[in-house]
Amino acid sequence: EPEVTQTPSHQVTQMGQEVILRCVPISNHLYFYWYRQILGQKVEFLVSFYNNEISEKSEIFDDQFSVERPDGSNFTLKIRSTKLEDSAMYFCASDSPPGADTQYFGPGTRLTVL
Amino acid sequence: GEDVEQSLFLSVREGDSSVINCTYTDSSSTYLYWYKQEPGAGLQLLTYIFSNMDMKQDQRLTVLLNKKDKHLSLRIADTQTGDSAIYFCAEKEGNNNDMRFGAGTRLTVKP
Repeated sequence: EPEVTQTPSHQVTQMGQEVILRCVPISNHLYFYWYRQILGQKVEFLVSFYNNEISEKSEIFDDQFSVERPDGSNFTLKIRSTKLEDSAMYFCASDSPPGADTQYFGPGTRLTVL
Repeated sequence: GEDVEQSLFLSVREGDSSVINCTYTDSSSTYLYWYKQEPGAGLQLLTYIFSNMDMKQDQRLTVLLNKKDKHLSLRIADTQTGDSAIYFCAEKEGNNNDMRFGAGTRLTVKP
């Protein structure tokens, strides 16, 4: 069964450093998403991406964040200058509406900012 | 703002049924989902229901939707120790891309 994959599974970085989280969505999906889950808190929507552009973003997704689909398979989330409060699990998801309109999630990348 | 609420904990004995409840506030929710998160793992889609349905059954899982009360439940029949996980309720309006999640219910299954 096709699945969303994410790398790395765990990333440790120093405050102020740039990080890039990588995702490979399910191959025939057209919509891509990033969510984050701070430890012990709710899963929060960050951004959705369709047709090579951002279709929606939340208040969390400020100028420090950017997304890119650099090729036909990868979908990346870049945090330009990480802050301590960026420490969280970051989940990538993809779906292909219309249809079941269900988002399939990757296993997540745990980002730890020291 | 719109919100999704769940109780945080549920403990059952192996073999019993589990019922995890969720309430939501957005009356324009079109799709409602249940995701399972095992320790250290990602979110696994368990099942979903359209807002024009009131019940959906999938093997041991039964989803009930009371749209009038904005109440969603997930029943797991014959709960097994492998069902121990955090279960997230989520909702999405048809025209939006973002999903709104509850805080998750931690299900503990005791042998």
